[in-house]
Amino acid sequence: GQNIDQPTEMTATEGAIVQINCTYQTSGFNGLFWYQQHAGEAPTFLSYNVLDGLEEKGRFSSFLSRSKGYSYLLLKELQMKDSASYLCAVRDSNYQLIWGAGTKLIIKP
Amino acid sequence: DVKVTQSSRYLVKRTGEKVFLECVQDMDHENMFWYRQDPGLGLRLIYFSYDVKMKEKGDIPEGYSVSREKKERFSLILESASTNQTSMYLCASSLGTSSSGANVLTFGAGSRLTVL
Repeated sequence: GQNIDQPTEMTATEGAIVQINCTYQTSGFNGLFWYQQHAGEAPTFLSYNVLDGLEEKGRFSSFLSRSKGYSYLLLKELQMKDSASYLCAVRDSNYQLIWGAGTKLIIKP
Repeated sequence: DVKVTQSSRYLVKRTGEKVFLECVQDMDHENMFWYRQDPGLGLRLIYFSYDVKMKEKGDIPEGYSVSREKKERFSLILESASTNQTSMYLCASSLGTSSSGANVLTFGAGSRLTVL
């Protein structure tokens, strides 16, 4: 079967760095996405990786290793507004998205 | 900015009632999707549509149907609501075909349905 694993919950301190991991086993691979979802709100797109390596976008970076079935989202200089759930999703060989259950990130002052 | 608007944020219905969830997008996106989101589970695809009057079953279509009479509107219908359909329902849209680049999804804010 197809599977996306990510930690259920993480806690970090304001101003620090946090890495949220995502491992996947899917039928084929056509890209990996990270979305951010604040409580009670719509998920919003953060990043897309289709080739191995690091994609940097301001305070957020996303890394992909296709051979290891692994990605991480790196958040630097954490702010209180970064408290949210982070959803990892992989597009499979049929171009359908398989979603992880999400990681709830709690930022403490 | 692309906007995806879901007509109802919160609904409470009784078992057996017919439920309509409406979704409208304003950026001429071709693709529209309905997901449900439950605690501890990833988003699960109910139905999707790549064109007007076209629909495809997702992973969990049982108990649901959809309608896409106009490009901008995609409706989810629960013919006879059951308690196990209590959930958050998310509508999303995207531009172009599934194989064209990132094809990012834009989501609505969600409709939280409670079936008593």
